[in-house]
Amino acid sequence: GNSVTQMEGPVTLSEEAFLTINCTYTATGYPSLFWYVQYPGEGLQLLLKATKADDKGSNKGFEATYRKETTSFHLEKGSVQVSDSAVYFCALSDGTGANSKLTFGKGITLSVRP
Amino acid sequence: ETGVTQTPRHLVMGMTNKKSLKCEQHLGHNAMYWYKQSAKKPLELMFVYSLEERVENNSVPSRFSPECPNSSHLFLHLHTLQPEDSALYLCASSQTGTGGYTFGSGTRLTVV
Repeated sequence: GNSVTQMEGPVTLSEEAFLTINCTYTATGYPSLFWYVQYPGEGLQLLLKATKADDKGSNKGFEATYRKETTSFHLEKGSVQVSDSAVYFCALSDGTGANSKLTFGKGITLSVRP
Repeated sequence: ETGVTQTPRHLVMGMTNKKSLKCEQHLGHNAMYWYKQSAKKPLELMFVYSLEERVENNSVPSRFSPECPNSSHLFLHLHTLQPEDSALYLCASSQTGTGGYTFGSGTRLTVV
């Protein structure tokens, strides 16, 4: 079956530091890949996505590249802000048929210090 | 405004109570989902409705009963819950085949 593995957290960084959050997946076929973010007290919001190999998703300074050869979708940001403090979830979707559904990683908490 | 609205935002209920969580989406999506998010545990998919038909029920106890009267509305009826059912309950919707979900803000449920 499909699965998503995220690096263990939490992660604490100083403002303006470089961020990398690792995500690897196992799936049959050609899944779509997603990063979701959950701010305190809120639901999940789609941050970015990529639907095929070598695609790069980007939003709000965050980027992730769909790497089929390494089955990875690592999230990066060059300079984090305090407002980026949140929980980040990597997810995949087989994206086919009426019963396609998202498989989530466990999530990782990012705290950014001023 | 995310397009998916959940009510109430917070709910405290006793173990003998009956309550319902409501989810409404204004995005024209044809699939809706209930997830449970507990502290220090992964997101748990509870139910999936596609075109108003339940297509997945992940071994959820019968004290949770979903209802999807139309493609825009989804309910989760709660009855005789346990304290371990306290969690954030998230609703999401999607257009099947596109993969991306839109989530509501969740209902924070506390069972006392």
